[in-house]
Amino acid sequence: EADIYQTPRYLVIGTGKKITLECSQTMGHDKMYWYQQDPGMELHLIHYSYGVNSTEKGDLSSESTVSRIRTEHFPLTLESARPSHTSQYLCASSGLTGTGSGNQPQHFGDGTRLSIL
Amino acid sequence: QKEVEQDPGPLSVPEGAIVSLNCTYSNSAFQYFMWYRQYSRKGPELLMYTYSSGNKEDGRFTAQVDKSSKYISLFIRDSQPSDSATYLCAMTKTSYDKVIFGPGTSLSVIP
Repeated sequence: EADIYQTPRYLVIGTGKKITLECSQTMGHDKMYWYQQDPGMELHLIHYSYGVNSTEKGDLSSESTVSRIRTEHFPLTLESARPSHTSQYLCASSGLTGTGSGNQPQHFGDGTRLSIL
Repeated sequence: QKEVEQDPGPLSVPEGAIVSLNCTYSNSAFQYFMWYRQYSRKGPELLMYTYSSGNKEDGRFTAQVDKSSKYISLFIRDSQPSDSATYLCAMTKTSYDKVIFGPGTSLSVIP
């Protein structure tokens, strides 16, 4: 079972602040993802990484940025938060199986619920 | 048309009922299929992971894939109040491609 941790779980902060959402996984997974999910709505991929120093934008345009300096760590940063950034942010990871049959499915953290006032 | 369609519900059933949750998709290249359960204010939790067509059973859960109809199902037997959650289907072409998620079906199991 994948262990993936997100902090903080909840954040309420004012407009214009710089925010970093943390995501760490202990399974050595090479692939990591950030999704945005509004209440009752579907997941939207905003960033992903296939390994250290590799980051790509997802399907949903986002003003956030990510970095992948270490395998286990994939933080997401908003330089200047706005009310439109209010949402839930979910981090996920996946890695190769030991059987050679390809990637395991994605495993998720419990998310950060972000509210920008 | 979205790549993956799923009835959002809400679906309400009595405890002990058999629940059927379904997704349809349009891309015949999808080969890997997943079901996730998401409780309120939590991240999605993987329930089932299947490859190609056929059935897979795990306890009270059975996942069914019909690639000819582009239709997948999740059956929950002897449903419990603790099964009340949103169920997301997900699929991908290869295990290296991006995963496409359905919007989720909200399920309530009434004691």
